[in-house]
Amino acid sequence: GAVVSQHPSRVICKSGTSVKIECRSLDFQATTMFWYRQFPKQSLMLMATSNEGSKATYEQGVEKDKFLINHASLTLSTLTVTSAHPEDSSFYICSARAGPSSYNEQFFGPGTRLTVL
Amino acid sequence: EDQVTQSPEALRLQEGESSSLNCSYTVSGLRGLFWYRQDPGKGPEFLFTLYSAGEEKEKERLKATLTKKESFLHITAPKPEDSATYLCAVGPSGTYKYIFGTGTRLKVLA
Repeated sequence: GAVVSQHPSRVICKSGTSVKIECRSLDFQATTMFWYRQFPKQSLMLMATSNEGSKATYEQGVEKDKFLINHASLTLSTLTVTSAHPEDSSFYICSARAGPSSYNEQFFGPGTRLTVL
Repeated sequence: EDQVTQSPEALRLQEGESSSLNCSYTVSGLRGLFWYRQDPGKGPEFLFTLYSAGEEKEKERLKATLTKKESFLHITAPKPEDSATYLCAVGPSGTYKYIFGTGTRLKVLA
């Protein structure tokens, strides 16, 4: 149980284009999902917290107009990188909190490798 | 300020050589401490949750313990397939967010 999927697993795009990444909880309902960014040999950096049916909460320094997050249902959240540039190239990982209890763990997707040329 | 520090940054062990990884934390209130394993190019895989000092949890060759200031991940008789980065995360009270440590990269040699 507690499986989270991401699509696509890898994407290469040209500078200036927009890229959408999907995050799905496959066998549970996730009221809260999180989006992280990870640079090589570094830990995960939280970008935003996404609650179903409401606006995402972004961490300090993360441009909300650059990284658009939508959490339209209890099993799907999307991250759109708008007008991507080479500096946006990174490994993006989503996670979902399984259940309403404040003690519930986050379960992570397999990640999406974004390369902007 | 809430903070999580992991040590060592990297660790090389011979197969069968037991060791421990450390996760030190300072947080105003602890909702839980979480251990994950991350393989290269993949998302973190959940291992353990610890909620209160004195708690211990085991899974195969791994055992996690918790005190009021730190957590240890003990690896007994490791195998090459245990090679990965082990991440510690703290969940402060009043938020669902995690604060991650920088991880320990473990390499187990055959």
